[in-house]
Amino acid sequence: DAKTTQPTSMDCAEGRAANLPCNHSTISGNEYVYWYRQIHSQGPQYIIHGLKNNETNEMASLIITEDRKSSTLILPHATLRDTAVYYCIVRVAGGGSQGNLIFGKGTKLSVKP
Amino acid sequence: DAGVIQSPRHEVTEMGQEVTLRCKPISGHDYLFWYRQTMMRGLELLIYFNNNVPIDDSGMPEDRFSAKMPNASFSTLKIQPSEPRDSAVYFCASSQGVFTGELFFGEGSRLTVL
Repeated sequence: DAKTTQPTSMDCAEGRAANLPCNHSTISGNEYVYWYRQIHSQGPQYIIHGLKNNETNEMASLIITEDRKSSTLILPHATLRDTAVYYCIVRVAGGGSQGNLIFGKGTKLSVKP
Repeated sequence: DAGVIQSPRHEVTEMGQEVTLRCKPISGHDYLFWYRQTMMRGLELLIYFNNNVPIDDSGMPEDRFSAKMPNASFSTLKIQPSEPRDSAVYFCASSQGVFTGELFFGEGSRLTVL
């Protein structure tokens, strides 16, 4: 079972920041938070991951709360092409099947003109 | 790099027929994953390989499903005999070290079993 809780859907205006929340209250100390997205009819695409520090790359920023029980993915200037299902995943960085990516239902983000 | 390449992109077959899905991972990647996606169950991990060796096949639904990786550049997922409930999109993904963060997914193979 997925260890995360995400809203089913969200809307965002084009050009505005999209803030996608994720609850992972049972996260363990050795588990990372990963974000992937899946644009319609395509394979999932990696966005970003982090352990406890905030992370930023060319696609997005990841803000993890100090207690690590929740996080927020931020797309700073959403475009229509960012319309997709966004998956928040917690995953062990180590050996064995615990490191497998387990996808939940994700959040369907709709960016509107 | 061409990315993960899957074939066929679409397959329509009749119940009872054998189906073979193919995957070419990104060169240099030592992990390969097969996922299945349906509306009801979402994305499910079926099996993954490390250095061509199956590591965890606990997600394979039943004995009708089998996967092989004869070399570092090729993997197959076979369903024999196929059933309508196998209809789904099957994704292959690869990574350089499974725990480095990023899995690269192919475009998927959409299977319809009539």
